[in-house]
Amino acid sequence: GAVVSQHPSWVICKSGTSVKIECRSLDFQATTMFWYRQFPKQSLMLMATSNEGSKATYEQGVEKDKFLINHASLTLSTLTVTSAHPEDSSFYICSAREGLAEQYFGPGTRLTVT
Amino acid sequence: KQEVTQIPAALSVPEGENLVLNCSFTDSAIYNLQWFRQDPGKGLTSLLLIQSSQREQTSGRLNASLDKSSGRSTLYIAASQPGDSATYLCAGPNNNDMRFGAGTRLTVKP
Repeated sequence: GAVVSQHPSWVICKSGTSVKIECRSLDFQATTMFWYRQFPKQSLMLMATSNEGSKATYEQGVEKDKFLINHASLTLSTLTVTSAHPEDSSFYICSAREGLAEQYFGPGTRLTVT
Repeated sequence: KQEVTQIPAALSVPEGENLVLNCSFTDSAIYNLQWFRQDPGKGLTSLLLIQSSQREQTSGRLNASLDKSSGRSTLYIAASQPGDSATYLCAGPNNNDMRFGAGTRLTVKP
């Protein structure tokens, strides 16, 4: 199956700083990428959807100025958490899809804000 | 908007038992439904993807069924093993993305 990678796998940052998470499709062109957030013992909640070359579409309640998403190429999307706070600590998972094919998920990034 | 519900939230069974996990969805006009496994602190592992034209899919000891008319899917695990302990998530399409259930946390006791 297709492979999606994320980097870093875990990151610790101080409150007020920004952190960038990368999501890459390794063997297919990701025309659409999705960013999910998962709090402990909860399910995945979609944060935003991005199509290559276009602005991301954010779900209700997700601050677009706080969670900056860039999908500038067909193999890379980045999520930047700006001015991170402890409540942003979570497990962030991306997924990617080529056209209307199956979505493939990355291994996730654990963010801890101290 | 697609809503996905999973029952039970948690399940504990002795090793060797057969078990069924349930998933229900509100929008029956789905084109597929997918079951995932998630180990603690890890990402998702896709188990089975059922297309809307299919009624079930099998992989080893796993069998997933899909009944669009009733808005239900079940994941059947035969002869459960301690290594099956994990959270099992089902997900259905919602317009352009996927919506997940809250998951069933399965514990298989040796």
